[in-house]
Amino acid sequence: DAGITQSPRHKVTETGTPVTLRCHQTENHRYMYWYRQDPGHGLRLIHYSYGVKDTDKGEVSDGYSVSRSKTEDFLLTLESATSSQTSVYFCAIKRGGVTDTQYFGPGTRLTVL
Amino acid sequence: QQQVKQSPQSLIVQKGGISIINCAYENTAFDYFPWYQQFPGKGPALLIAIRPDVSEKKEGRFTISFNKSAKQFSLHIMDSQPGDSATYFCAATSFQGAQKLVFGQGTRLTINP
Repeated sequence: DAGITQSPRHKVTETGTPVTLRCHQTENHRYMYWYRQDPGHGLRLIHYSYGVKDTDKGEVSDGYSVSRSKTEDFLLTLESATSSQTSVYFCAIKRGGVTDTQYFGPGTRLTVL
Repeated sequence: QQQVKQSPQSLIVQKGGISIINCAYENTAFDYFPWYQQFPGKGPALLIAIRPDVSEKKEGRFTISFNKSAKQFSLHIMDSQPGDSATYFCAATSFQGAQKLVFGQGTRLTINP
């Protein structure tokens, strides 16, 4: 999994509660991403980061916020979870060099009741 | 403008046969086209990728064919094996900078023994 860990791996929560998902990398890469995966939609970009405290929105950013206070950690927060945010969430990093492409973590399955 | 359309949604192939998955994109700024393979409960794993300066790229049994004028690209899996049974995603992006991947909807491939 390219030195990427995600926590928690599974979470069940109730509508209206705040939720924070963590992505941790061990290889000091500049770019980190959060995607969500839903049947029929493939993966869709939520937010990404291009450095400490540098973040930007992706395709489906409404209802989500992110923070990156350290190079190795990228946090995704659902301020008030809704049932439509039930999904599998993947973190990714972009490696530099010749390959220079994205590698994904193992995912977090989130269920909002 | 950002869409990537993938077909078929599901595909059943006999062992030893050729599996073919097709993708089409709209944004002419895209210049990097990776394919990801995903097994149940795992994150997507990079399989093979192509830049538009070549029309074909082969890695083992996996080949990407690229048609820039038609804005289409496809994955061919030769001598398909039961271990190839997985979900495959095509994606497209601009290679430089943030590399925000736009994914196809996915193809569930089943190889019958």
